[in-house]
Amino acid sequence: EADIYQTPRYLVIGTGKKITLECSQTMGHDKMYWYQQDPGMELHLIHYSYGVNSTEKGDLSSESTVSRIRTEHFPLTLESARPSHTSQYLCASNQDRAVQETQYFGPGTRLLVL
Amino acid sequence: KNQVEQSPQSLIILEGKNCTLQCNYTVSPFSNLRWYKQDTGRGPVSLTIMTFSENTKSNGRYTATLDADTKQSSLHITASQLSDSASYICVVSDRGSTLGRLYFGRGTQLTVWP
Repeated sequence: EADIYQTPRYLVIGTGKKITLECSQTMGHDKMYWYQQDPGMELHLIHYSYGVNSTEKGDLSSESTVSRIRTEHFPLTLESARPSHTSQYLCASNQDRAVQETQYFGPGTRLLVL
Repeated sequence: KNQVEQSPQSLIILEGKNCTLQCNYTVSPFSNLRWYKQDTGRGPVSLTIMTFSENTKSNGRYTATLDADTKQSSLHITASQLSDSASYICVVSDRGSTLGRLYFGRGTQLTVWP
């Protein structure tokens, strides 16, 4: 069982609200990621971080922002939620010391914007 | 274009039966191929990781094969159980960047009936 946590697990919110999705890991991993996944579709990388104070945009354009002030914490923020943001958001991490090292995923946050 | 294609899209089998899931990829260069299991509403969990030189790898009742020449992989599940019902995702990593980018398939949705 991976020590990576996401809160909230489910969130229903109105259009225009600001939201922050929390992700934390206790494995001391340097690399952390945020993915967006729609039902029946592949995961898309929206943000990643190599370590503290390092953040980069992923492949899928996203209106969200991230921060990495502490190694264990990688929150994702939407300043103004819209119905198009409705999706599942998955956080992941790994240390990447070896080619075969796996990514560990959190349980995900299911977001519904009304 | 780097892609990962999985088949079938969905599969229903009876408990105790075996099944094989397919993954074809066009990712180049190639670093490793991973199979993940994703239960409904949860994050993916790693089953196997194989590098270029590995042809097969087992994890309990799960056996993955890799043919790097034809760029094909399969995941064989033996003596299926109800708990095997999940989405199985094939993920291919390239070595073309320091990120070691991951390419995700859309998954095969497996349902095991009693």
